[in-house]
Amino acid sequence: QVPLQESGPGLVKPSETLSLTCTVSGGSISDYYWSWIRQPAGKGLEWIGRIDTSGRTNYNPSLKSRVTMSIDTSKRQFSLKLRSVTAADTAVYYCARETDYSNYDWFDPWGQGALVTVSS
Amino acid sequence: DIQMTQSPSSLSASVGDRVTVTCRASQNINNYLNWYQQKPGKAPKLLIYAGSDLQTGVPSRFSGSGSGTDFTLTLSSLQPEDFATYFCQQSYTMPWTFGQGTKVEIK
Repeated sequence: QVPLQESGPGLVKPSETLSLTCTVSGGSISDYYWSWIRQPAGKGLEWIGRIDTSGRTNYNPSLKSRVTMSIDTSKRQFSLKLRSVTAADTAVYYCARETDYSNYDWFDPWGQGALVTVSS
Repeated sequence: DIQMTQSPSSLSASVGDRVTVTCRASQNINNYLNWYQQKPGKAPKLLIYAGSDLQTGVPSRFSGSGSGTDFTLTLSSLQPEDFATYFCQQSYTMPWTFGQGTKVEIK
């Protein structure tokens, strides 16, 4: 098992920055990508982006201008920052391990999710 | 972006039924297709990757098929614990994208 746990403020004001951290409790942190995915209430899933242990990132173009991801392998943590949030950014945010095997990628496991509400 | 369209959006079925969920990609994605199960208030769980490979620990009543643009998730005999929402996801080209989900409900 490789439990993942999201942490961070559950309430963010409009125009401010959403910050979340994911802690990886077990297994190797190397040789994988580490992704963020979000899900507005009652809606589908949106991939935000990913980072590897070298710090290389790939972001969803729809969010790229507002997203920064970072990783601290010594703490076994990776982080998400989303700037200039609006109510449309209210969602459950999941962190997940992304496996890339022969160019096939999948997410497993996932964290339990963190609800972030954007409201004044 | 590659659009993933699932059908139906929801379905009602009984325990023991054979259930099929369809996912269509807006362009050819070969077999770069994954399926996830999500129960209310829980994170998605990987069921199938690379179109048809069963994730370790997932019951064999789940199966995936398809290639190109059309894919199918089949539950051969629906069990009480299978009532959930199912999502497909393409990993052919970034940004990775998901289908809108298919909710399997109890008839």
